[in-house]
Amino acid sequence: EDQVTQSPEALRLQEGESSSLNCSYTVSGLRGLFWYRQDPGKGPEFLFTLYSAGEEKEKERLKATLTKKESFLHITAPKPEDSATYLCAVKRGNTGKLIFGQGTTLQVKP
Amino acid sequence: EAQVTQNPRYLITVTGKKLTVTCSQNMNHEYMSWYRQDPGLGLRQIYYSMNVEVTDKGDVPEGYKVSRKEKRNFPLILESPSPNQTSLYFCASSRVQESTDTQYFGPGTRLTVL
Repeated sequence: EDQVTQSPEALRLQEGESSSLNCSYTVSGLRGLFWYRQDPGKGPEFLFTLYSAGEEKEKERLKATLTKKESFLHITAPKPEDSATYLCAVKRGNTGKLIFGQGTTLQVKP
Repeated sequence: EAQVTQNPRYLITVTGKKLTVTCSQNMNHEYMSWYRQDPGLGLRQIYYSMNVEVTDKGDVPEGYKVSRKEKRNFPLILESPSPNQTSLYFCASSRVQESTDTQYFGPGTRLTVL
């Protein structure tokens, strides 16, 4: 069965304390892995798409990596404005189906 | 401005009263999709459409209908809403080609069924 699992569920960091979020997946024919950021009461906001193992992408303090079984979202020297829920999703084969993990809620304290 | 819009943003209704939530995008995207988000369950896909007149079920389609008569619009219809359909609903759109298939989400519709 296709599945996406994110860990940890919640993460509290001090400002400047780097860490990583994990997204483990099992899917038939991975078409792409997506990372989104979601603020309370708002729609998910796109961060990255990764298509093949070994691929890496960066944006400001965030870096996403992909292996054949999991993806990591590395946060370097986070700031309070990085506090949000981070969602991982995988696209299944040549279909329009997208499977989301339950998210990691990040809180960065000043 | 490129965007996905949803209406209404908030809706309180009663069991059995048919309702429609509209979704519109101005990016000429082929793909559109509906999701519901519930605490502890995350985002779950209801229906999606790869293009006009082409729709398919997601993981939780029971109790919902959709139609795609125009490229820009993808309404979600609840023929007979029930309390277990109380949720936060999101519409999303994207292109279908790889490397351009990032989904852009609307602001959400919070539905309460009494």
